Amino acid sequence: EVQLVESGGGVVQAGGSLRLSCAASGFIFSDYWMNWVRQTPGKGLEWLTNMNQDGSEISYVASVKGRFTIFRDNAKNSLYLQINNLRAEDSGVYYCGRDFSPRLMDVWGRGTTVTVSS
Amino acid sequence: ERLMTQSPAALSVSPGERVTLSCRASQSIGTNLAWFQHKPGQPPRLVIYGASTRAPGIPARFSGSGSGTDFTLTITSLQSEDFAVYYCQQSNNWPRTFGQGTKVEIK
Repeated sequence: EVQLVESGGGVVQAGGSLRLSCAASGFIFSDYWMNWVRQTPGKGLEWLTNMNQDGSEISYVASVKGRFTIFRDNAKNSLYLQINNLRAEDSGVYYCGRDFSPRLMDVWGRGTTVTVSS
Repeated sequence: ERLMTQSPAALSVSPGERVTLSCRASQSIGTNLAWFQHKPGQPPRLVIYGASTRAPGIPARFSGSGSGTDFTLTITSLQSEDFAVYYCQQSNNWPRTFGQGTKVEIK
């Protein structure tokens, strides 16, 4: 079964850091572009960042550039998102997803919840 | 950035009824439009891509149409498992952007 499972969310104070993980199974992870998308009360669903198969191409939405870092370990079939200097508006559910076509995800995880407390 | 606007925000429907959801793009996106179904606690599920192509495993009661700026998702004879939030997403321009969603509730 093709599956993505996120982990690493939690409650963190503003200014803190978190590393989210996404474990992939059921498909050849190294064949796909991978993404992080979040759902927040303020902005709804927001695409954040993606990375190509070997990590040589990365894009970030302007609102997170400089604070968020995406990386992957193909040997571990895993995708990661390092989030620094967390803000209240970063609170939400973070999803990883697989692209099957440019800018189009066909598989999503169930998400991991990040809560930033002030 | 392409702004995607969905309407209505929510609607109440009885099982067996037909439902039409709308999505409008702020500028033309061709047919690069997808629809996702999202239920609480579950991953979002791709329903339609390319404006009108059903994703694998999606029942024929789901259909999509439109091009340019105006798109619709139609569900004929709504089933209990179809009650969910539906999001549209454009894949024509970077960054991909989503609509705010339409919640389909049981009447």
